[in-house]
Amino acid sequence: DADVTQTPRNRITKTGKRIMLECSQTKGHDRMYWYRQDPGLGLRLIYYSFDVKDINKGEISDGYSVSRQAQAKFSLSLESAIPNQTALYFCATSPTGVAKNIQYFGAGTRLSVL
Amino acid sequence: GESVGLHLPTLSVQEGDNSIINCAYSNSASDYFIWYKQESGKGPQFIIDIRSNMDKRQGQRVTVLLNKTVKHLSLQIAATQPGDSAVYFCAENRDDMRFGAGTRLTVKP
Repeated sequence: DADVTQTPRNRITKTGKRIMLECSQTKGHDRMYWYRQDPGLGLRLIYYSFDVKDINKGEISDGYSVSRQAQAKFSLSLESAIPNQTALYFCATSPTGVAKNIQYFGAGTRLSVL
Repeated sequence: GESVGLHLPTLSVQEGDNSIINCAYSNSASDYFIWYKQESGKGPQFIIDIRSNMDKRQGQRVTVLLNKTVKHLSLQIAATQPGDSAVYFCAENRDDMRFGAGTRLTVKP
């Protein structure tokens, strides 16, 4: 079983719809992250959380929100999806301490907004 | 502003040759760097890291070199294999981790 699981793996939605992407982990890590990946732009950080109830904005948080209700779960919401949010989304986790910056990624969610 | 970037978007090498992937950074206070590998259809995977008190670190077939004077690091892959074909990212130690755009390595048989 994957340590970092993202659901769904693929999603097609329409402009204006609210959608939620889920991430769960069995690694026991405190830190969790959401990224989006666009061709030629690499990974850009949307939000990150260092603990339950802790939420921090990343580089491109506008149009997104997150919820961290449990250590193992970190969900990303698009309140009103728009076409330029079409991208590949990754969830990642990392431990605290010395290895805090080594991140472990899920397999990704491919989102298309029509 | 601060950034982490890569010199070349693509690199093509012959199987068995050595590969060198470069990365530049602008924050002279950065003290820790990580290289990730992303294979097609998968999330990035940690390869190797290096702290700023080191100039070189070796792993299995991979070596990372850090030149703090010119704020440059490189990932060297020895005897490149088809399984090394992927996009490689460098990342800089920050709470809000910053990744470069990546270099796509293609290994020709």
